[in-house]
Amino acid sequence: DTAVSQTPKYLVTQMGNDKSIKCEQNLGHDTMYWYKQDSKKFLKIMFSYNNKELIINETVPNRFSPKSPDKAHLNLHINSLELGDSAVYFCASSQASGAGTGELFFGEGSRLTVL
Amino acid sequence: GNSVTQMEGPVTLSEEAFLTINCTYTATGYPSLFWYVQYPGEGLQLLLKATKADDKGSNKGFEATYRKETTSFHLEKGSVQVSDSAVYFCALSPQGGSEKLVFGKGTKLTVNP
Repeated sequence: DTAVSQTPKYLVTQMGNDKSIKCEQNLGHDTMYWYKQDSKKFLKIMFSYNNKELIINETVPNRFSPKSPDKAHLNLHINSLELGDSAVYFCASSQASGAGTGELFFGEGSRLTVL
Repeated sequence: GNSVTQMEGPVTLSEEAFLTINCTYTATGYPSLFWYVQYPGEGLQLLLKATKADDKGSNKGFEATYRKETTSFHLEKGSVQVSDSAVYFCALSPQGGSEKLVFGKGTKLTVNP
């Protein structure tokens, strides 16, 4: 069983379209994250949710909207896609916010290509 | 603010060579420090960690020691294998328990047979 699973793994779309990436974790964790990894492998946090509540929201365009229907799911919706949104998006989870363990469990990534 | 600086890659080594990937950090107080590894086509996974000064994290033959005096957490392995080819990320978790990990830019390692 995959601990953190994301779908789709690959997504190719045109500029201006709206797309979603879904994430589910079966680890029973309270906290979930979205990270963006650019073409140079630089990894940056976008959002973090703890038990369905937003706790971290980095400087991300408001075209990006996370949604957490329950603590096991954190989806990412992107409106009006731009070329610069092309990246690999990683979902991750951890046991508890504020625990300071630092151990995140990552999904395999969703590679988004905007043409 | 908090930040992590890693040596620029890529790094290419022959099998059984000694590996060092340098990592230094800037943070207030006493952060926890981590090394994550990303194998080709996969997500990141925790390799090792250290939560206080002078702690040594180790796993799969890799080691790193938390040096407060030099604000460093260099990754070392005595004898690399082809299967160690991956991207390695140094990261810190700020003091106070925040889960907001700050990552370095990653160092790509290629090990040739």
